Amino acid sequence: ETGVTQSPTHLIKTRGQQVTLRCSSQSGHNTVSWYQQALGQGPQFIFQYYREEENGRGNFPPRFSGLQFPNYSSELNVNALELDDSALYLCASSFGTGYYGYTFGSGTRLTVV
Amino acid sequence: GQQLNQSPQSMFIQEGEDVSMNCTSSSIFNTWLWYKQDPGEGPVLLIALYKAGELTSNGRLTAQFGITRKDSFLNISASIPSDVGIYFCAGRSPGSGNTGKLIFGQGTTLQVKP
Repeated sequence: ETGVTQSPTHLIKTRGQQVTLRCSSQSGHNTVSWYQQALGQGPQFIFQYYREEENGRGNFPPRFSGLQFPNYSSELNVNALELDDSALYLCASSFGTGYYGYTFGSGTRLTVV
Repeated sequence: GQQLNQSPQSMFIQEGEDVSMNCTSSSIFNTWLWYKQDPGEGPVLLIALYKAGELTSNGRLTAQFGITRKDSFLNISASIPSDVGIYFCAGRSPGSGNTGKLIFGQGTTLQVKP
């Protein structure tokens, strides 16, 4: 059983640019959630995708958007990058709403300069 | 918004000692989860709790879901060097519905001296 894989592992972008992060969910999981983890903080919920639709959103502006594909993989897109967007972005997959917990990937470290 | 207060913020202990950390909230949760995160990795689920008063063990780890549904604790017995890492509590509130939204604490950094 493969776990959650994320790409790329590290990324450096310039303020104002756009970025796309990718996530492959664990085998058998149909739901993907994205979290932002600033240095020294706990993860913050961005949104969740289920059946290719956004199924819940945290306190993040519309420039954070996502997609889920028929194979349950997902993308996180961030437009008009700001310095404060620098963080570890974590993808978590689950079956259904994640009642039995989530499996997290190792994350993408995004640095905005 | 909802927040979880996790304490202590950091711990430096001797190998073999027991460890206790806790999480409190101003509002109720219907699920409590405890995760461990190693450097450069994502959080790994340690224990999940689903009912008030529930006490669950996973090897040397024991966690409890508080009766008030506003707190949880995690104990680690006989710590070993590989217990080093950051421990997070996470909760799911009744208001989160089917969104799967978890609220995380700020983390407890554990260091173990051999």
